Amino acid sequence: ELKVEQNPLFLSMQEGKNYTIYCNYSTTSDRLYWYRQDPGKSLESLFVLLSNGAVKQEGRLMASLDTKARLSTLHITAAVHDLSATYFCAVVPYTGNQFYFGTGTSLTVIP
Amino acid sequence: SQTIHQWPATLVQPVGSPLSLECTVEGTSNPNLYWYRQAAGRGLQLLFYSVGIGQISSEVPQNLSASRPQDRQFILSSKKLLLSDSGFYLCAWSAGGTQYFGPGTRLLVL
Repeated sequence: ELKVEQNPLFLSMQEGKNYTIYCNYSTTSDRLYWYRQDPGKSLESLFVLLSNGAVKQEGRLMASLDTKARLSTLHITAAVHDLSATYFCAVVPYTGNQFYFGTGTSLTVIP
Repeated sequence: SQTIHQWPATLVQPVGSPLSLECTVEGTSNPNLYWYRQAAGRGLQLLFYSVGIGQISSEVPQNLSASRPQDRQFILSSKKLLLSDSGFYLCAWSAGGTQYFGPGTRLLVL
């Protein structure tokens, strides 16, 4: 059974601090996606990582992919309140069209 | 550009009543289409996905069904709703790359 695990599940951090969210998966894949979900809203695509060593950055968020370790990270730099949301990673195996989502990480940035 | 629509946005239905949720995509052809359900405060549960007209794969056995009568239309149905069917229903599409989500339908079964 394919598993996608995120940790932590809940994260409360102060503004200005740095932190990393981890996404581990159990299949061979070179397609990893990060999404953001605001309360009561749908999912918004953040990053697409399509190869080993891929790194993408947007503002205070940076995502990376290590396909050998089957690990992706989402690093938050100098957090601000606007980053408060739930973040999901999703993996697509080499075979198939299904997206397998992680459990999500609920981030709260405290002023 | 591509857009994805879902309706209704919100629905309150009694137990045992039927359900029909619709999803349409504009601006792309032959997309892969997906239905997910998200319970309050939880992750995403894949319900159905489709790679073409009339081609539906079911991931979780339950009282829901899906149909794809047209290339860019995906419908989620039930003949008799259960309390446990309450949740946030999300439709999504992809064309070999990123999966894009619709605005969702919030369903409350009473």
